Amino acid sequence: DVKVTQSSRYLVKRTGEKVFLECVQDMDHENMFWYRQDPGLGLRLIYFSYDVKMKEKGDIPEGYSVSREKKERFSLILESASTNQTSMYLCASSLLRAEETQYFGPGTRLLVL
Amino acid sequence: AQTVTQSQPEMSVQEAETVTLSCTYDTSESDYYLFWYKQPPSRQMILVIRQEAYKQQNATENRFSVNFQKAAKSFSLKISDSQLGDAAMYFCAYSYSGNTPLVFGKGTRLSVIA
Repeated sequence: DVKVTQSSRYLVKRTGEKVFLECVQDMDHENMFWYRQDPGLGLRLIYFSYDVKMKEKGDIPEGYSVSREKKERFSLILESASTNQTSMYLCASSLLRAEETQYFGPGTRLLVL
Repeated sequence: AQTVTQSQPEMSVQEAETVTLSCTYDTSESDYYLFWYKQPPSRQMILVIRQEAYKQQNATENRFSVNFQKAAKSFSLKISDSQLGDAAMYFCAYSYSGNTPLVFGKGTRLSVIA
C-alpha cells in the first residue's frame, strides 16, 4: 500500500514563527504536491515538484516556500506565519503519468494565533 | 486554462437510495483523465473512480459509476444503494499530463440520511 505521511495532524503556531510541514512518501513517486483546503474553496495548489530539487508554483504560492532534497520528502515552509494561513494542509504524491492516482496524506490542521 | 466546476455544494440522499453528483470541466485537450475523490470526516482523500477520455465506456466500481459525456464535457458520479459510510466531500478532478497537477472542483458535501 502507498503511504503518504505528514509530520503533524494538528499544529498551533504564533504569528511570525517559521513553520515546517513535512511530507514523506514510500512509493518512489516522482510527483509531490502541497495543497491548502479551506471551506468553500476546495483544494488549492500551493507548490508541486516532479523531481528532486525541482519545484513549480501552484495557484497560491505567496507566503510559502518548499524544499525537495530527497525524492521521498517534500517540505512546505511558512517563512513567517500569519493568521490567514490558518488552514488544512494536504500533501499528495503520484507517479509521473497523467492517469496516475494521487495519494494523499492525512492532512495537517494548522492554527496560527 | 482547464477548469472543473461542481455546481452542487451540498447534497443529501436517503440510505439505500441513488444519488448523482454533477461535474463539468473545460479543456481543449482530446486525451485526458477524470477522477472522483472522496474525503470522509477522517480527512483522508481516496480515489473513488477514474475515467479515461478515450474510452467511450463509462467506468464503474461496485456501487459507483460515472456518466461521461465527452462532447458536453460532463462527468457525473452516481452512487447506488447509498450507505452511511458514503457521507463525505466528493471532489471531481481533471488531468492531461503527467507532470502537471490535477485540477480540482470545489467539492460537493454529501449527507446520507438513515
